[in-house]
Amino acid sequence: AQSVTQPDIHITVSEGASLELRCNYSYGATPYLFWYVQSPGQGLQLLLKYFSGDTLVQGIKGFEAEFKRSQSSFNLRKPSVHWSDAAEYFCAVGASLGGAQKLVFGQGTRLTINP
Amino acid sequence: NAGVTQTPKFQVLKTGQSMTLQCAQDMNHNSMYWYRQDPGMGLRLIYYSASEGTTDKGEVPNGYNVSRLNKREFSLRLESAAPSQTSVYFCASSLNGGGPYTFGSGTRLTVV
Repeated sequence: AQSVTQPDIHITVSEGASLELRCNYSYGATPYLFWYVQSPGQGLQLLLKYFSGDTLVQGIKGFEAEFKRSQSSFNLRKPSVHWSDAAEYFCAVGASLGGAQKLVFGQGTRLTINP
Repeated sequence: NAGVTQTPKFQVLKTGQSMTLQCAQDMNHNSMYWYRQDPGMGLRLIYYSASEGTTDKGEVPNGYNVSRLNKREFSLRLESAAPSQTSVYFCASSLNGGGPYTFGSGTRLTVV
């Protein structure tokens, strides 16, 4: 069965510093991979997705992620964080199941930004 | 451009009471989903509907039922609420297999 691990429950970085959030997945076939962001009290917003092709994908808000099949990883990066990036980030792996795509989520990483 | 709309946003129930969470999408998506979010556990799939007229169990279906009323609407029912069902519930939809999800803003449910 597919699973997702986000090793870091909470990360704190200074504003303007670079960011990398880790995600490891377990899935037998070529995965569909996603990163979502959740601000407090809000739903989840899609940051970026990987289906196939170029392993470095660009998303919204200046985020990017790199798919590394050999490491079963899909880490999220941003060169310079802004205070508005403080939120919870979820990595997810998807697989088609009965015609619908079922997403399996990691536990989430809470990002705090120091001024 | 409403996307996915969930009602209510907040609800407090007493143990044993029943209620239905409503979800509607206006994007002509085929698939719809119900997740629950608990601290430290991410989101777990309760039920999903691949298309109008079909529903299937997800990871944590016990204590819940669903109805895919039409293409737009997918409701989640708690027949006899328990404190363990205290959670934030999210509805989501996707165009078809392979598409990303669009999420609603959630329903925060407390069972006392």
